[in-house]
Amino acid sequence: NAGVTQTPKFQVLKTGQSMTLQCAQDMNHNSMYWYRQDPGMGLRLIYYSASEGTTDKGEVPNGYNVSRLNKREFSLRLESAAPSQTSVYFCASSPDRRGRGYTFGSGTRLTVV
Amino acid sequence: TQLLEQSPQFLSIQEGENLTVYCNSSSVFSSLQWYRQEPGEGPVLLVTVVTGGEVKKLKRLTFQFGDARKDSSLHITAAQPGDTGLYLCAGVLGSTSGSRLTFGEGTQLTVNP
Repeated sequence: NAGVTQTPKFQVLKTGQSMTLQCAQDMNHNSMYWYRQDPGMGLRLIYYSASEGTTDKGEVPNGYNVSRLNKREFSLRLESAAPSQTSVYFCASSPDRRGRGYTFGSGTRLTVV
Repeated sequence: TQLLEQSPQFLSIQEGENLTVYCNSSSVFSSLQWYRQEPGEGPVLLVTVVTGGEVKKLKRLTFQFGDARKDSSLHITAAQPGDTGLYLCAGVLGSTSGSRLTFGEGTQLTVNP
């Protein structure tokens, strides 16, 4: 089925370890996004890529880096994981810069101990 | 402080009852979206409203965008257990580098049989 695919679905890290969350979409969307979801705080934007070759900081970018590898793939990297980064991470894509019609992946549940 | 305030945060009702969820802000949005999220999954887009005063219906769900494009409501008629889930409103904010969604905290709806 067409959509947004995230890997892995679950991950446990020790404080200080690094990892990359992968995201790929097969809908030929131009824009891609990374959000984190925490209880009582809704979804908060970490980074986004309005189009291939561009990335911009969102609301909570500290401690993260991103790479828009090509039109399909947008990865999120944690260089030195901290317990405050324990969260559920969602990747999303939309057809264009206008922000309509977001499609979300099923999420990565990350625990940092 | 959340840019979009949703109320109530939690709602538990009996099957057949009606309910309304509110989404309010002091900011003007170019459009507003409603999503429904089930446990372990990403949010799924229900509707996008664009014009101030716009009303859209999706079966038993009625969505309204405020005249000033600062608020929205979701009304469910004769709720069913299958309506249980987390309902999220999200507003589109524009920028020179591309639009992005800002989410409310969500309303957790439980419909008891």
